[in-house]
Amino acid sequence: GAVVSQHPSRVICKSGTSVKIECRSLDFQATTMFWYRQFPKQSLMLMATSNEGSKATYEQGVEKDKFLINHASLTLSTLTVTSAHPEDSSFYICSASAGTSYEQYFGPGTRLTVT
Amino acid sequence: EDQVTQSPEALRLQEGESSSLNCSYTVSGLRGLFWYRQDPGKGPEFLFTLYSAGEEKEKERLKATLTKKESFLHITAPKPEDSATYLCAVQGNQAGTALIFGKGTTLSVSS
Repeated sequence: GAVVSQHPSRVICKSGTSVKIECRSLDFQATTMFWYRQFPKQSLMLMATSNEGSKATYEQGVEKDKFLINHASLTLSTLTVTSAHPEDSSFYICSASAGTSYEQYFGPGTRLTVT
Repeated sequence: EDQVTQSPEALRLQEGESSSLNCSYTVSGLRGLFWYRQDPGKGPEFLFTLYSAGEEKEKERLKATLTKKESFLHITAPKPEDSATYLCAVQGNQAGTALIFGKGTTLSVSS
């Protein structure tokens, strides 16, 4: 149980284009989903928290107009990187939490490379 | 400010050589402390949640313990397949449900 998937696993895009990453909870309803980014040999940094049906809460320093988050259902959240630049290249990981559970279950991650 | 520090940064063990990883934390009201395993290019895999000082949890060769200031992840007789980065994270009351991660300990076990 508690499986979270992400799609795509890897994506290469050109500078200036937009990329959408999907995060799905496969066997539970995720009332809250989280988006993290991780640079090589660095810790996971929380970007935003989203609750189903409401606007995402962004961490300080994360541009909400650049990183669009949608949590339209209890099993799906999407992160869209708009007008991507090479400095946006990173490993993006989502996690999901169900109801009163404190555990977060992570997806396999998406490697974004912007050329 | 809530903070998590893991040590050592890297650890090399021989197969069968037991050791411990440390996670020191400061948080305003601990809701939970979490251990994850992360393989290269993959998302973190949940291992344990500890909620209060004195609590211990075990899974195969791994055992996690918690005090008011730190947590240890004990690895007994490790095997090469235990090689990974082990991440510690805390969840504080004031931070809501956001996890604050340490930088991790990269464990390498050679046969």
